[in-house]
Amino acid sequence: GDSVTQMEGPVTLSEEAFLTINCTYTATGYPSLFWYVQYPGEGLQLLLKATKADDKGSNKGFEATYRKETTSFHLEKGSVQVSDSAVYFCALTTMNRDDKIIFGKGTRLHILP
Amino acid sequence: DTAVSQTPKYLVTQMGNDKSIKCEQNLGHDTMYWYKQDSKKFLKIMFSYNNKELIINETVPNRFSPKSPDKAHLNLHINSLELGDSAVYFCASSHASGQNIQYFGAGTRLSVL
Repeated sequence: GDSVTQMEGPVTLSEEAFLTINCTYTATGYPSLFWYVQYPGEGLQLLLKATKADDKGSNKGFEATYRKETTSFHLEKGSVQVSDSAVYFCALTTMNRDDKIIFGKGTRLHILP
Repeated sequence: DTAVSQTPKYLVTQMGNDKSIKCEQNLGHDTMYWYKQDSKKFLKIMFSYNNKELIINETVPNRFSPKSPDKAHLNLHINSLELGDSAVYFCASSHASGQNIQYFGAGTRLSVL
């Protein structure tokens, strides 16, 4: 079945460091790919998305490129801030009738000042 | 205006009790979901409804019963609460046609004593 695998956390970085959170997927068909972010005490919110191969999603300085050849959608940011501390979820949807999203297990990110 | 609102935000109760969590969305979405998030932040889908019709019913004990009086509401009723039900429960909604971007409520933290 469809699945998402992302690197386990927690990931701890200093402010202004470069961030990469790895995400790979397994899916039949052509999934859409997402990164969601969950700030402390809040629900998940969409950070960025990509719907087809080679698309790059970007938002708030974060980027991820849909790589079909490596079935990956790694999240990157050039210079992280303390306010980026959160849990990040990679996800996919295959647009089946059930409209189900498959989430990864989440990666907790701590940014130290 | 809160797009997806769920009440209560916190719920503390004794084992064996029956409780309900309410969810409302004002986004005009067709599909609503309930997720359970455990202490390790792992997110598991429980149910989804599309226009009041049950679409997804994952392996969830039948003590959990969703009820959708209309497409803007999806409530979750839990009978005979157990210690293992302690978690954060998230409601979400999405538009059925499109890219299935899901909008989450702020969560209900349930503690069963």
